[in-house]
Amino acid sequence: EIVLTQSPATLSLSPGERATLSCRASQSVTNYLAWYQQKPGQAPRLLIYDASNRATGTPARFSGSGSATDFTLTISSLEPEDFAVYYCQQRSNGITFGPGTKVDIK
Amino acid sequence: EVQLVESGGGLVHPGGSLRLSCVASGFTFTTYAINWVRQAPGKGLDWVSGISSSGENTYYADSVKGRFIISRDNSKNTVYLQLSSLRADDTAVYYCARGRKYGSGPYYVMDVWGRGTTVTVSS
Repeated sequence: EIVLTQSPATLSLSPGERATLSCRASQSVTNYLAWYQQKPGQAPRLLIYDASNRATGTPARFSGSGSATDFTLTISSLEPEDFAVYYCQQRSNGITFGPGTKVDIK
Repeated sequence: EVQLVESGGGLVHPGGSLRLSCVASGFTFTTYAINWVRQAPGKGLDWVSGISSSGENTYYADSVKGRFIISRDNSKNTVYLQLSSLRADDTAVYYCARGRKYGSGPYYVMDVWGRGTTVTVSS
């Protein structure tokens, strides 16, 4: 099973700041890495697929990068609605999710 | 509107069974895979099972293999998840989610999600 590790576990930032979230895979997932956002009491929402492609409706301030085992989700300037938990997911060998990074308000 | 609506959750005793349903609308159901993903209280996301658009291929997490069965009825735009031999650690919100490959890859990205149905396993 491919294990995904996300860091940091919690990121405390202010609106307008840049957020950089990391996802590392235990073995190469090529570019089959997606990012989801989840707010309390809501279902997850797909943001990025295949490492760097924005899903329909994802604002341009969200960008993804990386390949093989190291991936990054960047939020260029945090809006109030961006404070949430973010999960990465690989689909190269089965489907697994990372444990999540919580982005909260500093 | 593209929508997935889950139902069938509830309280069940350990060792019991339950059948979850996921009804789709607003898209061509027969061209999409469907997955189930669960989330235990206060925990992260845990992929459970998936079924291809035709129903020919099914996939399971090791933790549920032999206990859960996924199926679909394309005439009813519905996917089912039969849960058996339930344990306390199966307690979770169960989401169904539409699966896409975006043209490549062996497994799925989940681009549309339902609101979930809650399964509680307790004596």
